[in-house]
Amino acid sequence: KAGVTQTPRYLIKTRGQQVTLSCSPISGHRSVSWYQQTPGQGLQFLFEYFSETQRNKGNFPGRFSGRQFSNSRSEMNVSTLELGDSALYLCASSSARPEGFYGYTFGSGTRLTVV
Amino acid sequence: DAKTTQPPSMDCAEGRAANLPCNHSTISGNEYVYWYRQIHSQGPQYIIHGLKNNETNEMASLIITEDRKSSTLILPHATLRDTAVYYCIVSGTGANSKLTFGKGITLSVRP
Repeated sequence: KAGVTQTPRYLIKTRGQQVTLSCSPISGHRSVSWYQQTPGQGLQFLFEYFSETQRNKGNFPGRFSGRQFSNSRSEMNVSTLELGDSALYLCASSSARPEGFYGYTFGSGTRLTVV
Repeated sequence: DAKTTQPPSMDCAEGRAANLPCNHSTISGNEYVYWYRQIHSQGPQYIIHGLKNNETNEMASLIITEDRKSSTLILPHATLRDTAVYYCIVSGTGANSKLTFGKGITLSVRP
């Protein structure tokens, strides 16, 4: 079956702009989580969406937001981009609860560079 | 989520077994141990997970101590393609469960 698809793979933006990243989860997965990965901070949890509702949130400023659609596809948005937002943004999907949480399947990520 | 402790790096020879240790002394009774790996610039890849019994799949074996305070991931015949950062993570199964990644252990497989 198809894996987690993230688009675009690479993106270059200017400081102050905003950006929207997209994630299509594995078919049947209703939970989508987003992570930011930087060399200094490693993999950091941004937020999780389940059935179109944000269920869990990491410690990021309000410039980072997301949403999930009825088909489970998710988008995350970063407004007023800063140089420090340059990172690999990873999306992960997991099977629905309460059947059980069995970990994530990650996409290949979107590499965002802010100049 | 409970925290884990892993050494920063290790290496092994190609074809030999790689044994990657992880300490999780504060693990709760309903928390699983997960192992993921990340090859440079790719998304993390699921390897294996377990609760208290030893587990084996086509990629690796997971050995969890009886007191569940530590575990070992075993790659039985390491290849150069196994060079990656390996993350040991402890997580529950509740609605708010998530995977919290630490720094992981960098495994270098040498020819």
